[in-house]
Amino acid sequence: DAGVIQSPRHEVTEMGQEVTLRCKPISGHDYLFWYRQTMMRGLELLIYFNNNVPIDDSGMPEDRFSAKMPNASFSTLKIQPSEPRDSAVYFCASRGWQSYEQYFGPGTRLTVT
Amino acid sequence: QQQVKQSPQSLIVQKGGISIINCAYENTAFDYFPWYQQFPGKGPALLIAIRPDVSEKKEGRFTISFNKSAKQFSLHIMDSQPGDSATYFCAASIFSQGAQKLVFGQGTRLTINP
Repeated sequence: DAGVIQSPRHEVTEMGQEVTLRCKPISGHDYLFWYRQTMMRGLELLIYFNNNVPIDDSGMPEDRFSAKMPNASFSTLKIQPSEPRDSAVYFCASRGWQSYEQYFGPGTRLTVT
Repeated sequence: QQQVKQSPQSLIVQKGGISIINCAYENTAFDYFPWYQQFPGKGPALLIAIRPDVSEKKEGRFTISFNKSAKQFSLHIMDSQPGDSATYFCAASIFSQGAQKLVFGQGTRLTINP
């Protein structure tokens, strides 16, 4: 298995633009998590899905952030409009139903200028 | 109550020495305590994990010590090597809204000097 796949690996955009981050979880995993990592706040859980259904989005910072999982092999995290304070590394992770272990993707480094 | 506090923020150890990173928690509902290792430009990867009914777990040079009464756990890296230089995160798992989710510590940047 190729592991969790994220794209793009790097994204540079201007303030006000829409940004879409993509994730392909490990095949067969039922849970998908989106995290944001910054120096100041560390690793924060934004939202997670179970069988494509959003379970807990309490970590989503504001309405500018939205996430979808249209099928078991694809999820998106969208920021519209983007702001400089959204600059961070965004990770997607997945895990199996009866496992505690989360497998992380390589991350997307987002820079908003 | 769902926080995990990690220390130190950064640590420098000589090659061959012992690296020790500590974490503390408050919520007794946490039921699984993993440590993740992250290299620059990569995502975190599971290193070793422990459940609260065990006081110690060892895998090679890596050991978790767990003190349930003190609500503390720590990672010990024996015979530390330059290749161990990375950021280490402790975490705690809690069952919430029908699923297990992880709460991460702030991370420790470990540097092993050759």
